Amino acid sequence: DTVLTQSPALAVSPGERVTISCRASESVSTLMHWYQQKPGQQPTLLIYLASNLESGVPARFSGSGSGTDFTLTIDPVEADDTATYYCQQSWNDPFTFGSGTKLEIK
Amino acid sequence: EVQLVESGGGLVQPGRSLKLSCAASGFTFSNYGMAWVCQAPTKGLEWVASISTGGGNTYYRDSVKGRFTISRDNAKNTLYLQMDSLRSEDTATYYCARLDNNYRGYWFAYWGQGTLVTVSS
Repeated sequence: DTVLTQSPALAVSPGERVTISCRASESVSTLMHWYQQKPGQQPTLLIYLASNLESGVPARFSGSGSGTDFTLTIDPVEADDTATYYCQQSWNDPFTFGSGTKLEIK
Repeated sequence: EVQLVESGGGLVQPGRSLKLSCAASGFTFSNYGMAWVCQAPTKGLEWVASISTGGGNTYYRDSVKGRFTISRDNAKNTLYLQMDSLRSEDTATYYCARLDNNYRGYWFAYWGQGTLVTVSS
């Protein structure tokens, strides 16, 4: 299975820029997607196909990357962005998720 | 507005069965592939199974093959997951998700609120 590696946690202050990384154990082309999960809620789609912003998602969120290295950027960060962020690939079977990056807003 | 509402979760003994349902609304259900994704308590997300628009093609993660069956009723706009021979490691919140796609691949565009399955004696 394709393993997606994410940093466990980050802490930033409101107004700052934060980058969340996701590294794949093998190429996933640009079939990488990002989800936000707030405590007690279901995940919601932020970015699909590495860099496409889902409708209704603030333009503060952006995604980049291809192959094995991907980044989710939030700029500027707001207090409401407190959540766990997951990357997910759909290039290789089975679909796999990263273990999530918990973002704390100081 | 797209809505996915899961039901059917609960406490079940190891080895027993449970059937989850997901009622879809706000979109043409028969036009989309669907999936189940689970999340064990305090853990990450894990894809469980997917089904094509007409139900003719199904896909499972290895750990549930032969035990779980994904199906759909397009007339009722409902997705199902039949879970047999349940194990303690199947304990998780199960989310129903709509699969969006283009010519390149699929992603989980919409998620339900989830239903908790607890397997314990």
